[in-house]
Amino acid sequence: GNSVTQMEGPVTLSEEAFLTINCTYTATGYPSLFWYVQYPGEGLQLLLKATKADDKGSNKGFEATYRKETTSFHLEKGSVQVSDSAVYFCALLSGSARQLTFGSGTQLTVLP
Amino acid sequence: GAVVSQHPSRVICKSGTSVKIECRSLDFQATTMFWYRQFPKQSLMLMATSNEGSKATYEQGVEKDKFLINHASLTLSTLTVTSAHPEDSSFYICSASTSGDYEQYFGPGTRLTVT
Repeated sequence: GNSVTQMEGPVTLSEEAFLTINCTYTATGYPSLFWYVQYPGEGLQLLLKATKADDKGSNKGFEATYRKETTSFHLEKGSVQVSDSAVYFCALLSGSARQLTFGSGTQLTVLP
Repeated sequence: GAVVSQHPSRVICKSGTSVKIECRSLDFQATTMFWYRQFPKQSLMLMATSNEGSKATYEQGVEKDKFLINHASLTLSTLTVTSAHPEDSSFYICSASTSGDYEQYFGPGTRLTVT
């Protein structure tokens, strides 16, 4: 079956630090990959996505590259801000059922 | 575009009562809606998938008689928690997608507290 493994948190960084949150996956076929962000008390917002190997998704300074050879989709940002504090979920979509498989989530706290 | 709303955002009910949560797609037709449950500091657990006009497909371990899902129109799905108990307290999130798009658009979630 499909699965997503995310780097365990919590992650605490100082403002302007470099961020990496690791994500690896197991899936049949060729999944689409996503990063979602959840701010406290809110639902999920799509942060970025990639639909095929070597695609790079990017948004708001965040980037992730779909690496088929390492089955990874690591999230990176060069300089985090306090407003980036949230929980980040890696997810994949595979198969005709169109159901998302989520990772466990990584809590990020950015300190001023 | 692609906005999904949920109502209410928070609800407190007494044990034994039923509560209904609405999920609406505001600017698109949602042929498929998904209902998730999220426990504190945990990931989302898919409860069921509903297609407009059809019965919902429940995930293993989810009681269909307890969590009633109705997807009567292309813009509205409802989740009714029947005879709620304190262990049903959770954050419930819906998402919606269209027939031509695999992407899911998430609602803001509903915090249910059963006392």
